[in-house]
Amino acid sequence: ETGVTQSPTHLIKTRGQQVTLRCSSQSGHNTVSWYQQALGQGPQFIFQYYREEENGRGNFPPRFSGLQFPNYSSELNVNALELDDSALYLCASSPGQGSIGELFFGEGSRLTVL
Amino acid sequence: QQQVKQSPQSLIVQKGGISIINCAYENTAFDYFPWYQQFPGKGPALLIAIRPDVSEKKEGRFTISFNKSAKQFSLHIMDSQPGDSATYFCAARSQGAQKLVFGQGTRLTINP
Repeated sequence: ETGVTQSPTHLIKTRGQQVTLRCSSQSGHNTVSWYQQALGQGPQFIFQYYREEENGRGNFPPRFSGLQFPNYSSELNVNALELDDSALYLCASSPGQGSIGELFFGEGSRLTVL
Repeated sequence: QQQVKQSPQSLIVQKGGISIINCAYENTAFDYFPWYQQFPGKGPALLIAIRPDVSEKKEGRFTISFNKSAKQFSLHIMDSQPGDSATYFCAARSQGAQKLVFGQGTRLTINP
């Protein structure tokens, strides 16, 4: 069974640029959530995707967008990068929509915005 | 009302001791309370979780105590080991909601 995998693991961008982060969900999981974890803080919910549709969104501006593909993998796109977007971006998969069960997290993509 | 407040920020415990981390919440709609463990360079991993219809849940050396009236819950790690050194997050979710609300984390160090 393959766990949640994310790419890239690290990247550096400059302010104003755009970034795409990728996530492959755990085998058999059809729901993907994205979280932002600033240094020294707990993860904050960005949004969730289920059946290729956004299914819940946290308090993040529209320049944070995402996609889910038929194989349940997902992308997080951030436009017009700001310095405060520097963080660890975590993808988590789960076996059902809004299920009260375990979220399986990947190791994250660490984004640095200069 | 969506916040989960976690304390302490950091904790140092001697090997074999008991580590205790506390969390408090305001939203009475929360009905699922997991604890996650995160090692450096890794994503969070579920450690143990509780529903509010029970006051305590134990799995091995890890115990969650839950006080519904006080809106508080805590993680106890018995016989703490150096391998337990990690950052611990409490979290909460409302029924039917898609997101977990996390506390700010506790950096636990177990001295050998």
